[in-house]
Amino acid sequence: NAGVTQTPKFQVLKTGQSMTLQCAQDMNHNSMYWYRQDPGMGLRLIYYSASEGTTDKGEVPNGYNVSRLNKREFSLRLESAAPSQTSVYFCASSIRDRVTEAFFGQGTRLTVV
Amino acid sequence: AQSVTQLGSHVSVSEGALVLLRCNYSSSVPPYLFWYVQYPNQGLQLLLKYTSAATLVKGINGFEAEFKKSETSFHLTKPSAHMSDAAEYFCAALRVGAGGTSYGKLTFGQGTILTVHP
Repeated sequence: NAGVTQTPKFQVLKTGQSMTLQCAQDMNHNSMYWYRQDPGMGLRLIYYSASEGTTDKGEVPNGYNVSRLNKREFSLRLESAAPSQTSVYFCASSIRDRVTEAFFGQGTRLTVV
Repeated sequence: AQSVTQLGSHVSVSEGALVLLRCNYSSSVPPYLFWYVQYPNQGLQLLLKYTSAATLVKGINGFEAEFKKSETSFHLTKPSAHMSDAAEYFCAALRVGAGGTSYGKLTFGQGTILTVHP
């Protein structure tokens, strides 16, 4: 029972490099989210996808793009990484039409040097 | 706009002592509320949730929380701390629309790191 799977778990990038964080869920959830976690700031929403085919900006979208590839997969792309994007990134999913909790992946620890 | 405030970024207790982690929300309509726990280098795990059915909510690992509308609070408690409770705890709020549908976007507090001393 995998739940929400994120890859990679760790990544080091040089400033200006690009990369894509992958996320997949096997719970048939409609909604998926990308958060970043920084010390003392909790989790902040970067982008979310309420359902397949739709994406919307969250609280901190600058420097990121997303793709909802299908119902299972939601990727986050950094086109030109900056040191300010050093963070732990979490993907999550939830059932859209019922009030329920979000389920989180294990996180991707990204360092931009 | 909805916000969640956790009072105290660090809380330290002795093993066997009461754990109290504070959470206050601000929104015109009471949201649904959640407590998550994060162990080192892991994702977030749901401890408990308030969805308006009962104001006192019991969760996993002996934790419970009470929703108090008059105080806009949802504090997390555990009568007796255990060493394994050492982790970071997050309070989160979910805005709810008519008919019980959710807007799906959690708003998190800043987190509280709980340390348990022997």
